[in-house]
Amino acid sequence: EAGVTQFPSHSVIEKGQTVTLRCDPISGHDNLYWYRRVMGKEIKFLLHFVKESKQDESGMPNNRFLAERTGGTYSTLKVQPAELEDSGVYFCASSSPGMNTEAFFGQGTRLTVV
Amino acid sequence: KNEVEQSPQNLTAQEGEFITINCSYSVGISALHWLQQHPGGGIVSLFMLSSGKKKHGRLIATINIQEKHSSLHITASHPRDSAVYICAVRATNKLIFGTGTLLAVQP
Repeated sequence: EAGVTQFPSHSVIEKGQTVTLRCDPISGHDNLYWYRRVMGKEIKFLLHFVKESKQDESGMPNNRFLAERTGGTYSTLKVQPAELEDSGVYFCASSSPGMNTEAFFGQGTRLTVV
Repeated sequence: KNEVEQSPQNLTAQEGEFITINCSYSVGISALHWLQQHPGGGIVSLFMLSSGKKKHGRLIATINIQEKHSSLHITASHPRDSAVYICAVRATNKLIFGTGTLLAVQP
């Protein structure tokens, strides 16, 4: 069975451009999370989907970030317009239905804004 | 102060040594995760625990809920254990991460 997959693995864009990150969770996993690690800091929560609904988006840094999960399958995270401080590694994780189930992580997308 | 603190931040060991990484947290949790990330690799879940102790191969994880503390032990360490080890606690519906411990095991 495929794990959590993220695309692209790396992205280098210029300040002001738009980037869209994609996450395909494990099939059947209702819970989907986005996390981010910026240079030298710990990984931080961005948001949580349960199926197609945003359960918690308290970690989204500002309105330049938009996450969607149409149909409750894959999710996208769009950054528009990108700023230098958005550089980091964006991780996606998914887990099966329920509150305390094990999370499986993707390989991450390394975003560099220049 | 972070809600999840790990120590040490960096650790160098000789092959075969017994290794301990510590994690303390200050929030109420429903579970604690130990995660591993090899250089250039993704994050892999090692353990999820909410009480007591779990063992998998040479890895042992313990948690003391009353003291809000967990430890990850590696017995008979090997160079392939070199990685970043991350403690993360589940609070409500999300994970709160420590900064990670960079472990280097030298042959």
